[in-house]
Amino acid sequence: EAQVTQNPRYLITVTGKKLTVTCSQNMNHEYMSWYRQDPGLGLRQIYYSMNVEVTDKGDVPEGYKVSRKEKRNFPLILESPSPNQTSLYFCASSPGDRIISPLHFGNGTRLTVT
Amino acid sequence: SQQGEEDPQALSIQEGENATMNCSYKTSINNLQWYRQNSGRGLVHLILIRSNEREKHSGRLRVTLDTSKKSSSLLITASRAADTASYFCATDGGGSNYKLTFGKGTLLTVNP
Repeated sequence: EAQVTQNPRYLITVTGKKLTVTCSQNMNHEYMSWYRQDPGLGLRQIYYSMNVEVTDKGDVPEGYKVSRKEKRNFPLILESPSPNQTSLYFCASSPGDRIISPLHFGNGTRLTVT
Repeated sequence: SQQGEEDPQALSIQEGENATMNCSYKTSINNLQWYRQNSGRGLVHLILIRSNEREKHSGRLRVTLDTSKKSSSLLITASRAADTASYFCATDGGGSNYKLTFGKGTLLTVNP
């Protein structure tokens, strides 16, 4: 089944403890992206990647890192999480290296930083 | 920055009625997309309309695009309780812009 898989689904952590949220897609998509969703603010793009080893900042990249060493994986790294990074995170992918095609979303990761 | 903005923020209708949601955006675009999100779940793509198209249909969905007014509308006809969800428009920034920016969404409630 074609899908975008995020793990974990829920994560509770403490301030400053490094964490990684994994994202994997099995559709051979070129484009991948991370979004965070907060009440009243909608979805905001964190980082995106047009292809392997090519990443760029979205609208809210501060406090996050990403890497794209393989086409299928696009992990989101929080080196030193803070409470303001408590949010619902979505990974998405799209065929082609242009965001013309529809995005396929994962089911989300709900992160709580205390 | 928020490119697309949906209106209204919330909409409550009875089953069988039509639901119309609007989206306004600020810059030129290559395409505009509409997505649906059931509570807390991942977004699901509904329809994509290119900047040179004015109207598009998919089942009970009808999307219009007016690039002169920088606006789009999503019409759901003969709504069902299962259509209850949040609906988002998303736009790229035109040119070779690789970002897809989402609005804050319209929460649609369809009462049985």
